[in-house]
Amino acid sequence: EVVMTQSPATLSVSPGERATLSCSASQSVRNNLAWYHQKPGQAPRLLIYGASARATGIPPRFSGSGSGTEFTLTISSLQSEDFAVYYCQQYNDWPLTFGGGTKVEIK
Amino acid sequence: QVQLQESGPGLVKPSETLSLTCSVSGGSIGKYYWTWIRQSPGKGLEWIGYIYYSGGANYNPSLKSRVTMSVDTSKNRFSLRLSAVTAADTALYYCARQFEKDGDFFDVFDIWGQGTMVTVSS
Repeated sequence: EVVMTQSPATLSVSPGERATLSCSASQSVRNNLAWYHQKPGQAPRLLIYGASARATGIPPRFSGSGSGTEFTLTISSLQSEDFAVYYCQQYNDWPLTFGGGTKVEIK
Repeated sequence: QVQLQESGPGLVKPSETLSLTCSVSGGSIGKYYWTWIRQSPGKGLEWIGYIYYSGGANYNPSLKSRVTMSVDTSKNRFSLRLSAVTAADTALYYCARQFEKDGDFFDVFDIWGQGTMVTVSS
C-alpha cells in the first residue's frame, strides 16, 4: 500500500502567520491527493482534492500544490478556526491511505 | 443537505462481530460510493472499504477477510460488519460519502457522520 508521511508532526504558528505543511507518498500518486482538517470532537473536513482544487466552501487562504510524491498545503494567514489537525489522503491506489497528521497549534 | 448518522453497539466482546449502520438523510443513497473509515490513537485514520449503491464493494486488504458491507436502498442506509474483533478494532467509526464535483466522482469524502465509538472488551 502507499504510505503517506506528514511533517512536521506539530507546527506552532501565530494567528495571521503563514503555515506550510508537507505530505510525501512512498510512490507516485500523481495528483490524486486530498487534504482534510479535523477539530476536536468533529469529523474530518475536506479542504483540497486533486492536490490543488479547493472543495466547496473552502476559503482561498487554503492552497495545495505538488504532484507525484511531494505535496504541500499552505494556509496563507492563519485564523483562529484553522488551529486543528491536518491530514493528507491519497486516492491513486487502493487501499486509500491517510497520513499520520500535522497538528497546527497556537504559538 | 445530506446528513449521515452512524448507529450500533458501543461495546463488543472479543471474537464477536461488530455491526454498524449508517443512515442517510436529506438525499438519496443512489449513484455514490459509501465508505467506512475508522480512527484510533494507534493507527490514525484507516479506510475500511466502500460499497456502491448497487451493491459492489471494495475492502481494505488488511481487513478484507473479516469485513462485509451491505446497502439497503429501500431504507436509505448501508451497513458494516466486522467479524472476529480484537482490542485492535477499538476505534471511532465514521461513515462518509464520496465527493462529487460537476458530475465527476473522487475517492475523497466531503460528507461524514459524527462517528460512533466502538470498544472491544470483555
